[in-house]
Amino acid sequence: SQQGEEDPQALSIQEGENATMNCSYKTSINNLQWYRQNSGRGLVHLILIRSNEREKHSGRLRVTLDTSKKSSSLLITASRAADTASYFCATDHSGNTGKLIFGQGTTLQVKP
Amino acid sequence: DTAVSQTPKYLVTQMGNDKSIKCEQNLGHDTMYWYKQDSKKFLKIMFSYNNKELIINETVPNRFSPKSPDKAHLNLHINSLELGDSAVYFCASSQDLIAGQYEQYFGPGTRLTVT
Repeated sequence: SQQGEEDPQALSIQEGENATMNCSYKTSINNLQWYRQNSGRGLVHLILIRSNEREKHSGRLRVTLDTSKKSSSLLITASRAADTASYFCATDHSGNTGKLIFGQGTTLQVKP
Repeated sequence: DTAVSQTPKYLVTQMGNDKSIKCEQNLGHDTMYWYKQDSKKFLKIMFSYNNKELIINETVPNRFSPKSPDKAHLNLHINSLELGDSAVYFCASSQDLIAGQYEQYFGPGTRLTVT
């Protein structure tokens, strides 16, 4: 299976702390994306990182990609209670079919 | 304005019934998708359409039939519903077919409960 794995499955931190989530995958990718899902809602795209990129930033989010280790990490700095959600990585292995493979997600709780 | 909308939001029905879920996007995107999210939050693609043409058809029972009347709509019809069909179904769209180059925009989901 190409499904990615995310680590940890659950994470609980205090507001203001940083949160790091990791994603590993099994076969080579074209691109990797991170999504957030608030409880009972649809997924919202956060960042897309291409296979030839190593790091990307968007506001308080920092994503790294290590294709040699087939892994990516999402760092949320100075977390807020509103960051409480599930975070998913999704990998594109095909490049031309529209198919994304989602990991099982990391549930993040940020306590005020 | 909602970018990707789905109706209904909740659907409770009995085994053996036939039901449909509708999806519409007003983003002008060429590609639309259906995903199924199970109780463990595992999200799996079911179908994708590009300009009304079926591109991805994963190993989904043929009781599930997508229909794309135009680029902005992708409906999902399910025949002979089974208990195992209970899940949240998400519609999504992206600008183009090459998913890895474009983010996907998700609808709010339809929670289907089969009793």
